[in-house]
Amino acid sequence: KAGVTQTPRYLIKTRGQQVTLSCSPISGHRSVSWYQQTPGQGLQFLFEYFSETQRNKGNFPGRFSGRQFSNSRSEMNVSTLELGDSALYLCASRRDGLITGELFFGEGSRLTVL
Amino acid sequence: AQSVTQPDIHITVSEGASLELRCNYSYGATPYLFWYVQSPGQGLQLLLKYFSGDTLVQGIKGFEAEFKRSQSSFNLRKPSVHWSDAAEYFCAVAPPGGSQGNLIFGKGTKLSVKP
Repeated sequence: KAGVTQTPRYLIKTRGQQVTLSCSPISGHRSVSWYQQTPGQGLQFLFEYFSETQRNKGNFPGRFSGRQFSNSRSEMNVSTLELGDSALYLCASRRDGLITGELFFGEGSRLTVL
Repeated sequence: AQSVTQPDIHITVSEGASLELRCNYSYGATPYLFWYVQSPGQGLQLLLKYFSGDTLVQGIKGFEAEFKRSQSSFNLRKPSVHWSDAAEYFCAVAPPGGSQGNLIFGKGTKLSVKP
């Protein structure tokens, strides 16, 4: 069974641009969460989607947004990029929205903002 | 506010030696507790989890963790480390009975293994 797939794996953008990252969850998984990982702040929760609805959002500015499609695939968008947005963005999926379900992570999309 | 503290940023152990990685949490009630491992260039993989019951939990790859309520700790242990265990380890918590998927992670402990 295929794991969580994130695209692109690496990308470089300049300040002020926007970026869209994609995540395909494990087949049958309806919950997708996004995390930002940086050396300074560690892993921080961005948002969670379940059945196309955002259920929870972390403490990030409105420049960070996301959505989930009917096939459970998810995208996140960052507008007006800043240098501090350089990070590894991790997507994770679980079968349902319960915290007791195992969270499976993708390998991440590494964003560099110049 | 809820928080997770991993006091050790970097630990080096010799192959075959025992390992203990520390994790302390600050939470109003006993949260759900998790340990994840991240190998270089990889995503995170769940090692083990604690929801309730027996305070000693067994995980994959020979890891175990002990929940100590009085110390608000959930330390990860392995009796004999293998070179392939070199990775970064993250402790995480979530609200008990929560229906939402977000976890609060510690800053991680990087494990190096000497031959």
